[in-house]
Amino acid sequence: GESVGLHLPTLSVQEGDNSIINCAYSNSASDYFIWYKQESGKGPQFIIDIRSNMDKRQGQRVTVLLNKTVKHLSLQIAATQPGDSAVYFCAESRPGTYKYIFGTGTRLKVLA
Amino acid sequence: SQTIHQWPATLVQPVGSPLSLECTVEGTSNPNLYWYRQAAGRGLQLLFYSVGIGQISSEVPQNLSASRPQDRQFILSSKKLLLSDSGFYLCAWSQDSLSTDTQYFGPGTRLTVL
Repeated sequence: GESVGLHLPTLSVQEGDNSIINCAYSNSASDYFIWYKQESGKGPQFIIDIRSNMDKRQGQRVTVLLNKTVKHLSLQIAATQPGDSAVYFCAESRPGTYKYIFGTGTRLKVLA
Repeated sequence: SQTIHQWPATLVQPVGSPLSLECTVEGTSNPNLYWYRQAAGRGLQLLFYSVGIGQISSEVPQNLSASRPQDRQFILSSKKLLLSDSGFYLCAWSQDSLSTDTQYFGPGTRLTVL
């Protein structure tokens, strides 16, 4: 499969524990943020998004937290499962541009 | 629901050969379309984006080109491949004309240039 993230930071968690993946974004003008999950050899899969007028958003087993003061974004995965093993990366977007700025990613390894 | 397709899934080409990668989107009209390249150990690099038929914006000067012959079709091409063109090519679409819309990715094409 695709050798994405050969030298990525790795987070190892026990199955059933909660995972927290962090991302520092670069531009204080960014108003939209997304988390993607990418499994080996596959395209990135949308997980959850949040706009800058919110500081927390919840999905199914996932929560995204946004701290605009320190330009920090986090993804929390509850009750981590083996199927959650993948590379996770964040993206930010600013008004008036088509471009996303992508983080380099974090590899999540779920230990049985 | 919307779906995005890319083909081929994998491709091995010799240096100097031409390239054509295709991306199609179903279930939506007038999407924004994007081509990205993902090199091993690196993040996503935006190559081209398109907001409509025949409208292509290039982000990175290189020996690649893109075309949008139909509303939901986006093609990435090269006349002569270089070794450095190897990588994982991803097509994405978004619904609206504003950047603050979610981009959804296709399954990708793994290109190896030998």
